[in-house]
Amino acid sequence: DAKTTQPPSMDCAEGRAANLPCNHSTISGNEYVYWYRQIHSQGPQYIIHGLKNNETNEMASLIITEDRKSSTLILPHATLRDTAVYYCIVSPHISSGSARQLTFGSGTQLTVLP
Amino acid sequence: NAGVTQTPKFQVLKTGQSMTLQCAQDMNHEYMSWYRQDPGMGLRLIHYSVGAGITDQGEVPNGYNVSRSTTEDFPLRLLSAAPSQTSVYFCASGGQINYEQYFGPGTRLTVT
Repeated sequence: DAKTTQPPSMDCAEGRAANLPCNHSTISGNEYVYWYRQIHSQGPQYIIHGLKNNETNEMASLIITEDRKSSTLILPHATLRDTAVYYCIVSPHISSGSARQLTFGSGTQLTVLP
Repeated sequence: NAGVTQTPKFQVLKTGQSMTLQCAQDMNHEYMSWYRQDPGMGLRLIHYSVGAGITDQGEVPNGYNVSRSTTEDFPLRLLSAAPSQTSVYFCASGGQINYEQYFGPGTRLTVT
């Protein structure tokens, strides 16, 4: 069973905000939302994670709805180097034995256009 | 600090051959894992380890063996290569308190 649903592809103009949605309607109370990205067959790169509050770091912002059934990753000023496949993953708290076992879906191919 | 390193970068095997994919990390991470990625697909977990001497199976363990004798190294062994094992293999590591996992650059394996 897929735990997350993401659109297969999205385009974004360079310099504009990229908003990548993720549906995780079956998320349980102890599960976090993680985002990773994979640039052109390189190893995946961690972006951000959150439980229920909105989070921001130097790379992106994560907005999680109040019911926690969906979230949006925001890249505030997309550049050509942000072209990648973005994966939304739900996983238990780090103290759980299964927390590290990431389940990758197909992700969203984000293409940033010049 | 090299992070997670994987060798070789590319490998071609004939059906039935065996080989070991190497993975090393210099961040003193307890957790290490192996994933495979088939074309156009997401990554799937093969095996993982929560510390030296402790390993467990992931989603797709058949045909692969692992061991973890040191914190730094986590080799993946293909016992008898099959064309279905043609894939890109990624190793990852994570610390005890960090949520982030670090991935290596991958090994591209072709089995003919």
